[in-house]
Amino acid sequence: GENVEQHPSTLSVQEGDSAVIKCTYSDSASNYFPWYKQELGKRPQLIIDIRSNVGEKKDQRIAVTLNKTAKHFSLHITETQPEDSAVYFCAAHTSNTGKLIFGQGTTLQVKP
Amino acid sequence: GAVVSQHPSWVICKSGTSVKIECRSLDFQATTMFWYRQFPKQSLMLMATSNEGSKATYEQGVEKDKFLINHASLTLSTLTVTSAHPEDSSFYICSARISGREKLFFGSGTQLSVL
Repeated sequence: GENVEQHPSTLSVQEGDSAVIKCTYSDSASNYFPWYKQELGKRPQLIIDIRSNVGEKKDQRIAVTLNKTAKHFSLHITETQPEDSAVYFCAAHTSNTGKLIFGQGTTLQVKP
Repeated sequence: GAVVSQHPSWVICKSGTSVKIECRSLDFQATTMFWYRQFPKQSLMLMATSNEGSKATYEQGVEKDKFLINHASLTLSTLTVTSAHPEDSSFYICSARISGREKLFFGSGTQLSVL
């Protein structure tokens, strides 16, 4: 079945710096890749997503890139702020199963 | 936007009892819902896919007789943890999608603590 690997597990940056989180997926049939931000005890919040027919998408300080050949996608956060501190999850969706499989998560700490 | 309601938000129960968690899609019909479990500081692990009017599909390693799923209508799926034990203590979260779209909408989650 689908497997999603996410790195790093923890990431600490200074306020204003950029943060990059990387994921790889195993199922070449995956066609939708969302990124979620989750605060403790809360539901995951979708922050950005990308479909397999697009290589890059940007929304203000957040961007996602997708390399279908390498089965690799990344989240880029620029000008980080303390309120960006949270756990971030990548995920991959496969249309033939309808399942959304999550990566292991990255705890991002932005130091003021 | 689409709203998924999940109840209860937290529950404490004694070992051996059963607990039912409800997941409702409030403003759309969901033929498929998904149940995830999340242990502290871990990822969301897919437990099962709930299909309206048919049996749920369970992921490998998930006991279908222990985690009973019922999806009797297009807006309601329930997860019953039967004979709960302390190791079942976890954050359970449901999700649903509008038919034909990939985006998932999540419930607010249920924190289960089994004493």
